[in-house]
Amino acid sequence: DTGVSQDPRHKITKRGQNVTFRCDPISEHNRLYWYRQTLGQGPEFLTYFQNEAQLEKSRLLSDRFSAERPKGSFSTLEIQRTEQGDSAMYLCASSFSTGWNEKLFFGSGTQLSVL
Amino acid sequence: QKEVEQNSGPLSVPEGAIASLNCTYSDRGSQSFFWYRQYSGKSPELIMFIYSNGDKEDGRFTAQLNKASQYVSLLIRDSQPSDSATYLCAVSNTGNQFYFGTGTSLTVIP
Repeated sequence: DTGVSQDPRHKITKRGQNVTFRCDPISEHNRLYWYRQTLGQGPEFLTYFQNEAQLEKSRLLSDRFSAERPKGSFSTLEIQRTEQGDSAMYLCASSFSTGWNEKLFFGSGTQLSVL
Repeated sequence: QKEVEQNSGPLSVPEGAIASLNCTYSDRGSQSFFWYRQYSGKSPELIMFIYSNGDKEDGRFTAQLNKASQYVSLLIRDSQPSDSATYLCAVSNTGNQFYFGTGTSLTVIP
């Protein structure tokens, strides 16, 4: 039983470049979430999918951010024209939706540094 | 007002003592409550969850929930240096929203 997998673990990029992160959820989980976490803060919700449908996006998610989950399996998060303020840990979490007792399980995260 | 509030600490306790971590939340409709442990540079790891008022024990960990006071706590008995981490409180309603606090940094001193 594998956990949530994220790739890459670390990404260093120059301002203005595009980056893409991948998340593979736990296989039987139907929901997939993206969070962003900066130093000293808790995870902040970005967006989530139920199967292949993107059901909600945070106001934090600017037009430069896009996420996909084709076929309801893995997901990608792309940031276009990166800015230094995008530097953060990007966390993916998955869950099996059972209503009120849904639990999130996180991947190891992708640490993004924008120079 | 933030949805979930935690004292950022740092909280220091000697090895073998009880560490007490607290969390308050603002949404009275919240149904599920979680504690995550996060080591420096790592991702959050789910260690406890509680849904009903009262106490829930799992090994050295006890989660306590008081919905009337909108208060959740985590007790760690016989604290070990390996418990040194940031502890995140998370709260969820039935609408697929999970709100996290900023975390409390715990240091267990050998």
